[in-house]
Amino acid sequence: GQQVMQIPQYQHVQEGEDFTTYCNSSTTLSNIQWYKQRPGGHPVFLIQLVKSGEVKKQKRLTFQFGEAKKNSSLHITATQTTDVGTYFCAGPPDTPLVFGKGTRLSVIA
Amino acid sequence: DAGITQSPRHKVTETGTPVTLRCHQTENHRYMYWYRQDPGHGLRLIHYSYGVKDTDKGEVSDGYSVSRSKTEDFLLTLESATSSQTSVYFCAISEGGVTDTQYFGPGTRLTVL
Repeated sequence: GQQVMQIPQYQHVQEGEDFTTYCNSSTTLSNIQWYKQRPGGHPVFLIQLVKSGEVKKQKRLTFQFGEAKKNSSLHITATQTTDVGTYFCAGPPDTPLVFGKGTRLSVIA
Repeated sequence: DAGITQSPRHKVTETGTPVTLRCHQTENHRYMYWYRQDPGHGLRLIHYSYGVKDTDKGEVSDGYSVSRSKTEDFLLTLESATSSQTSVYFCAISEGGVTDTQYFGPGTRLTVL
């Protein structure tokens, strides 16, 4: 079946360092969605990218959708302790969303 | 947060007993989903619904059944719980289709002894 792979699985950074997580699909995606789950919480929608090569920013977060619509990235500039959590990408070809396994971010103050 | 509640929030049960988890939404969204979340596996879709009495299987549906008799309620039943079904269960809803943005409930932590 369709798979969405995320790397890395874990990332530990010092506060103020940058962080990037990558999402790769085995098939072309109609869109890519990103979610954040705080420890003990539930996934919360962050953003959706639809167009090939699309780049969107939310404050210190930059999201990119690849030209071939098979990969995406989330980059956080100057991480803060509030960025702690697991970041999931999710993509649909023509089925319900398939979630990646997520990247767990730890921020050391 | 979207108007989604899950009950119970925590449950401990014995192997072999039936368990029903409830998801209730006040958003009037057509699509509802049940996921389980386990360490190392991320979110895996169990079943989903695309309308009242309309449901379909997800990736990990074995051992689970669902029912949706009203737009606002989606029930997940474990007919005979097993220890492998110990997990955190999330309900989610979406408005525009199965590829649309999803909004998640707070989750139910289920422990099967």
